[in-house]
Amino acid sequence: GENVEQHPSTLSVQEGDSAVIKCTYSDSASNYFPWYKQELGKGPQLIIDIRSNVGEKKDQRIAVTLNKTAKHFSLHITETQPEDSAVYFCAASRSGGATNKLIFGTGTLLAVQP
Amino acid sequence: GAVVSQHPSRVICKSGTSVKIECRSLDFQATTMFWYRQFPKKSLMLMATSNEGSKATYEQGVEKDKFLINHASLTLSTLTVTSAHPEDSSFYICSARPPTGVSGRPETQYFGPGTRLLVL
Repeated sequence: GENVEQHPSTLSVQEGDSAVIKCTYSDSASNYFPWYKQELGKGPQLIIDIRSNVGEKKDQRIAVTLNKTAKHFSLHITETQPEDSAVYFCAASRSGGATNKLIFGTGTLLAVQP
Repeated sequence: GAVVSQHPSRVICKSGTSVKIECRSLDFQATTMFWYRQFPKKSLMLMATSNEGSKATYEQGVEKDKFLINHASLTLSTLTVTSAHPEDSSFYICSARPPTGVSGRPETQYFGPGTRLLVL
């Protein structure tokens, strides 16, 4: 089955710097890759997603890149702010199935130091 | 749009009692909802997929008689933890998948705020 690895497990940056989180997946049939932000004691919030027919997607300070050949995708946050501090999860899914299950990475705790 | 709610947000119960958690899609109909469990500082573990009008599909290792799931309408799924024990204490999160026309992607899942269960 699908396996998603995520690195780093913790990341500390200074306010204004960029942050990059990387994920690799094992199932070459996976074609949907969302990123979620989870604040303490809350449910995950979808922040950006990308499908396999696109190599890059950007939404203001957040961008995601996908390398299908290498089977890895990355989240880029520019001009980080203290409110970006949270746990970030990547996930992978194969569309077309009956359930489209999301397989999650292990999470990255991002701390933005003011 | 695509808001998912859960109730209660937290519950404390005695060992041996049953606890019901509700998951609602507030502004869309969801034929499929998912139930996850999350341990502290860990990732989300899929427990089961809930399909409206049919039996839930449980992941390997999840006891279906322990975690009863009912998806009786297009906006409501419930998870009942039966005869709860301290090891069932966890953060339970549901998600719902809206129709493609709402999210633009058939795979998109929107998550509820979670329910923290503490079994004494």
